[in-house]
Amino acid sequence: QVQLVESGGGVVQPGRSLRLSCAASGFTFSSYAMHWVRQAPGKGLEWVAVVSYDGMYKYYADSVKGRFTISRDNSEKTLYLQMNSLRGEDTAVYHCARESSNWKYPGYWGQGTLVTVSS
Amino acid sequence: QSVLTQPPSASGTPGQRVTISCSGSSSNIGSNFVYWYQQLPGTAPKLLIYRSDQRSSGVPDRISGSKSGTSASLAISGLRSEDEADYYCAAWDDILSGVVFGGGTKLTVL
Repeated sequence: QVQLVESGGGVVQPGRSLRLSCAASGFTFSSYAMHWVRQAPGKGLEWVAVVSYDGMYKYYADSVKGRFTISRDNSEKTLYLQMNSLRGEDTAVYHCARESSNWKYPGYWGQGTLVTVSS
Repeated sequence: QSVLTQPPSASGTPGQRVTISCSGSSSNIGSNFVYWYQQLPGTAPKLLIYRSDQRSSGVPDRISGSKSGTSASLAISGLRSEDEADYYCAAWDDILSGVVFGGGTKLTVL
């Protein structure tokens, strides 16, 4: 079955960087687009970014454009999110998700990793 | 302020039918599929409906989705206590070139 396990979260100071990872198993990773979606404490879902199955195409939410970079290593079956210039409003649980029946939409979700931006 | 508009709450008694609305615009719901997700307390979201009206694997047929114009809705009939959760709609937005979510609807089973 599809398994997605995020890691790399933690407490980081404003302005610093952090890289999240998402280890995938149970499916052919290189055949699917992958998303990052975040959820601030007590708030709703906010889409962050998507990368195509081959890493060629990437789209970002305006709130993270220019600061975050999504990437993938198909040989390692791992998705990444490099987060730079972090702000307090980036505090959230970050979920990785495999596409559903359409590359534009998240389908299967991981449990998430918590990122706290605080001095 | 979310791009897609959902009511913040909904409720019903066991056995009742409840609908949750999701309103958008021509650049998102009007020209793309709507997806619905269920999030039980303390867990990751789960896909319920894809391509506006298709049930995901394992989702009972008492749960259905529909879309008309720039609005969509999720209907749950035969309400059960385990349906108590947060529900989110989502659609791709052609102007933003990204996924937009509704603010979420907290469903309470009385």
